Amino acid sequence: NAGVTQTPKFRILKIGQSMTLQCTQDMNHNYMYWYRQDPGMGLKLIYYSVGAGITDKGEVPNGYNVSRSTTEDFPLRLELAAPSQTSVYFCASKGRWWAYEQYFGPGTRLTVT
Amino acid sequence: AQTVTQSQPEMSVQEAETVTLSCTYDTSESDYYLFWYKQPPSRQMILVIRQEAYKQQNATENRFSVNFQKAAKSFSLKISDSQLGDAAMYFCAYRSLDSNYQLIWGAGTKLIIKP
Repeated sequence: NAGVTQTPKFRILKIGQSMTLQCTQDMNHNYMYWYRQDPGMGLKLIYYSVGAGITDKGEVPNGYNVSRSTTEDFPLRLELAAPSQTSVYFCASKGRWWAYEQYFGPGTRLTVT
Repeated sequence: AQTVTQSQPEMSVQEAETVTLSCTYDTSESDYYLFWYKQPPSRQMILVIRQEAYKQQNATENRFSVNFQKAAKSFSLKISDSQLGDAAMYFCAYRSLDSNYQLIWGAGTKLIIKP
């Protein structure tokens, strides 16, 4: 059981480039989340989805976009990368609305120079 | 808006001893959930323990237990018989009942285990 997988593990971008961070879960979870973790800080929610075709902004959505065409996949798109987007990005998923636990992927470390 | 504060950036403990990590939070809600997550060097977030605010009894999971003081808005994590594998960042998180299940996170406490 793979759980939540994220690719790539590491990436270096130049300012102004774009990229997509991939997230896939094989647990048939409805809820999926994207967080960023800056050094010495807790996680901040970027976007979330409560099911295929439904997404909504979290606390820090600027500079990012998401889509959710299937239950399994929840890609995060960075447009026009900026140094402020240097961070570790985590994808997470959760089953039913009453479920307590979010299951996290291993993260993607992104550096924008 | 809710906030979560972890005032200890780093803690250290001798192997086999007990350590307590602190967490305070601010909320006007009466019902909510609190969590402790562990983040080892592998970076993967792992749920350690959770507490429902409506329960007076403190949650326990093997060597991990919490001291939940609702009136004081305090939620500390006690790790007994510390093991080398407990070395990690520990994050306290808050979840409102009626949000779309967004977690509000503290800044984390780095736990060092001395052999």
